[in-house]
Formats: sequence, structure tokens, C-alpha cells
Amino acid sequence: SAVISQKPSRDICQRGTSLTIQCQVDSQVTMMFWYRQQPGQSLTLIATANQGSEATYESGFVIDKFPISRPNLTFSTLTVSNMSPEDSSIYLCSVGDRSGTEAFFGQGTRLTVV
Amino acid sequence: KNQVEQSPQSLIILEGKNCTLQCNYTVSPFSNLRWYKQDTGRGPVSLTIMTFSENTKSNGRYTATLDADTKQSSLHITASQLSDSASYICVVLNYGQNFVFGPGTRLSVLP
Repeated sequence: SAVISQKPSRDICQRGTSLTIQCQVDSQVTMMFWYRQQPGQSLTLIATANQGSEATYESGFVIDKFPISRPNLTFSTLTVSNMSPEDSSIYLCSVGDRSGTEAFFGQGTRLTVV
Repeated sequence: KNQVEQSPQSLIILEGKNCTLQCNYTVSPFSNLRWYKQDTGRGPVSLTIMTFSENTKSNGRYTATLDADTKQSSLHITASQLSDSASYICVVLNYGQNFVFGPGTRLSVLP
């Protein structure tokens, strides 16, 4: 199984600022994903982080608001830009293989925007 | 439309009792179904993963069933413990490599 380290685990931020969340995996993985989980809701896929190319965003999510980097096969970052209180959520990094046999999640970053 | 529904939305049981959580899905084409446990403030942790041909799979006190014909799954928890208090999420993967998440069942185990 993959061990995923996500930082920070939580943060309280002022509206209008940006926060970058880091995801580090202990082994090389093909697929990395970023999810958002709003209070009381299930997970919603933000984007697939592609190594060496631009991330693939799901409907409703745009690069200007959620820029993603993936410089190698073990690391990715998600930035939440120009934050508003509506961005208060848990953000989760996930890794998996192309077959979908395995999917692992980081412990999440609990973001509160005030 | 690919959807996963779960019931009940929330459940309260006493420690030591058994319970069963339900999952219905309309995801197609079906690849596999997973149950995750998510403690408050933590990321989901996989409990079981079942493919089309599997009817039952156990992981300790957790037993998942799958009926691919009716597109239903259940997660049975035996002899519940306080540490079982969490959200349980049913997730279905289709062959387009898309995970479809259920809304989760919030389980509270009381002493």
C-alpha cells in the first residue's frame, strides 16, 4: 500500500489569500487525484494531477482557482487561490493505478476560510 | 446517470450490537465496488474492494456483500466498537476509470 503524507493537516486562512497543499507519496504512482469534501458531503473530484503536463480538471473546477503541480511521480501540490468562506472544506490527495485496483487517500487538509 | 445512494444517512447503535449499511448504485459499466471508513477529520481508509464476480468479502468484523444483478451492496459490522464511529462511504468504479462516491452513512456507536 502507498503511504501518503499531506501537509498542512489544517489551516485557518483569511479570505482573498491562497493556500498550497502538499501531497507526498512514499512510492512512484501513476495516478494522483485531488478531491474536495465540503462539510457533511461526500468527496468530489477536483482534478487529476498529470506528471509533466497540465492537470485535467472536472466540470466546475478551473486552473485559475485550483492550480496543480506534479513535478514527479511522488509529489503534487494543490493551491486554493483567492479564497472565500465557500472554499472551507477538507481537501484530499488520492493515489491509484490505472486499473483502479487500488485507491489510497491522504489524511486530508481541513481548510477554514474566515 | 452514474449514481451511488446509501442508507441510512445516519445510524446510532449501542456498543456490541451489529448493524448493516446499504448501498445502491447505477454506475455502468461496473468495474469494482469499495467500502471506505472515514474517521472525522481524516482521509478515507479502504475496508473492502469487490469485483463483479465476488459476492462476499470480509475484513475482520466487516463483511461486505455484492449483488451485481440488483446493483446493491451492504456492509455488515459485527460486535460494534466505539472506534467504529465514523462515516462509511460506498464507492463504485466504472471502466472509464471514474470513481463515483456515495454520500456516506454516519455511524455513531454509543457505550
